Amino acid sequence: QKEVEQNSGPLSVPEGAIASLNCTYSDRGSQSFFWYRQYSGKSPELIMSIYSNGDKEDGRFTAQLNKASQYVSLLIRDSQPSDSATYLCAVGVSGGYNKLIFGAGTRLAVHP
Amino acid sequence: GAVVSQHPSRVICKSGTSVKIECRSLDFQATTMFWYRQFPKKSLMLMATSNEGSKATYEQGVEKDKFLINHASLTLSTLTVTSAHPEDSSFYICSAPLGEETQYFGPGTRLLVL
Repeated sequence: QKEVEQNSGPLSVPEGAIASLNCTYSDRGSQSFFWYRQYSGKSPELIMSIYSNGDKEDGRFTAQLNKASQYVSLLIRDSQPSDSATYLCAVGVSGGYNKLIFGAGTRLAVHP
Repeated sequence: GAVVSQHPSRVICKSGTSVKIECRSLDFQATTMFWYRQFPKKSLMLMATSNEGSKATYEQGVEKDKFLINHASLTLSTLTVTSAHPEDSSFYICSAPLGEETQYFGPGTRLLVL
């Protein structure tokens, strides 16, 4: 059973701080990793994708991947109240074209 | 940019009726689409992979006779919840991949079975 694990939170950070979200996965063959943001009652929207070890930065977001440790993280710098949402980690299934397995999500609350 | 639409956005039905949900890729073709279900405060659970021109592939534990999937064209997949019951009430979301890197999600359909 392929699994993706996330701390459900809530993770509470003050406005302007760095929010750190973590995810571990069980499928060693996975090659693609995604972070989605989901607001309450809405469908997920893609924030970041990462495919190789190391860091990938996009604006205030940085994704980090360590395949040896089967670990992927998302850093949000200068957190804003509008970043308050549930963040879903998704991992591509090895051998499954575009098939994703989602973690349960971490709820982030950014307070002013 | 690429967009995936779903219809209806919300549906309320009586127990025992069937409900059809449409998923369309608006400006790209998708030979594969995915159907997910999400219960309150839970993550997305993949139900099935919809394949244009062939049978859908269902995940373990998902009843294929209850959740009928038809991928009629390269831009349309439908999910029919047959003989719906209150426990089928959920948020149903489809997605369509564009290339190998990006998967676009529809806005979701909230189903309430009374």
